[in-house]
Amino acid sequence: SAVISQKPSRDICQRGTSLTIQCQVDSQVTMMFWYRQQPGQSLTLIATANQGSEATYESGFVIDKFPISRPNLTFSTLTVSNMSPEDSSIYLCSVFSPMNTEAFFGQGTRLTVV
Amino acid sequence: QQPVQSPQAVILREGEDAVINCSSSKALYSVHWYRQKHGEAPVFLMILLKGGEQKGHEKISASFNEKKQQSSLYLTASQLSYSGTYFCGTETGANNLFFGTGTRLTVIP
Repeated sequence: SAVISQKPSRDICQRGTSLTIQCQVDSQVTMMFWYRQQPGQSLTLIATANQGSEATYESGFVIDKFPISRPNLTFSTLTVSNMSPEDSSIYLCSVFSPMNTEAFFGQGTRLTVV
Repeated sequence: QQPVQSPQAVILREGEDAVINCSSSKALYSVHWYRQKHGEAPVFLMILLKGGEQKGHEKISASFNEKKQQSSLYLTASQLSYSGTYFCGTETGANNLFFGTGTRLTVIP
């Protein structure tokens, strides 16, 4: 199994500012995934982060709004830029097990934009 | 390409059974099932690979109909601990996971 440390666990931010969320995995992984989960909703995939290349974003998400870094095989950051109240959500990072048979999640970052 | 789950919510008494369905519009490589309790991250239950297999995990089992692009999760003799929101996660071969709309399950004494 993989242990994922995600921080901060929660934050309250002013609109127009940016927040960077960090995700540290206890083992090397090829891909890291970032999800958004709005209250009472499902998880929506934001992007897939590969080490050494640009992240791949899903429809509706753009790099200018959600820049991602992946400096090595155990670490990634997601920045939520120029925040508005609509960005209030839980953000989760995730990795697959070595055989891609199971997904592990960080504990999430609960973001509130005021 | 979000999979659709049904029902959206279900309430069971302890000991009753339930079935949760997951349907995709895309060809599937595999289907995962997760349970999420309030305020916690999703927890993996099982994975089904294409081939129409069925798997079991204690009193929770699942099936995968590759041709119909559907999966079902079966919960038998439900326990209070089964309460939570269940999500299917589908892989279409691109090594990423898309989660279904979710099914909120409540088990009452």
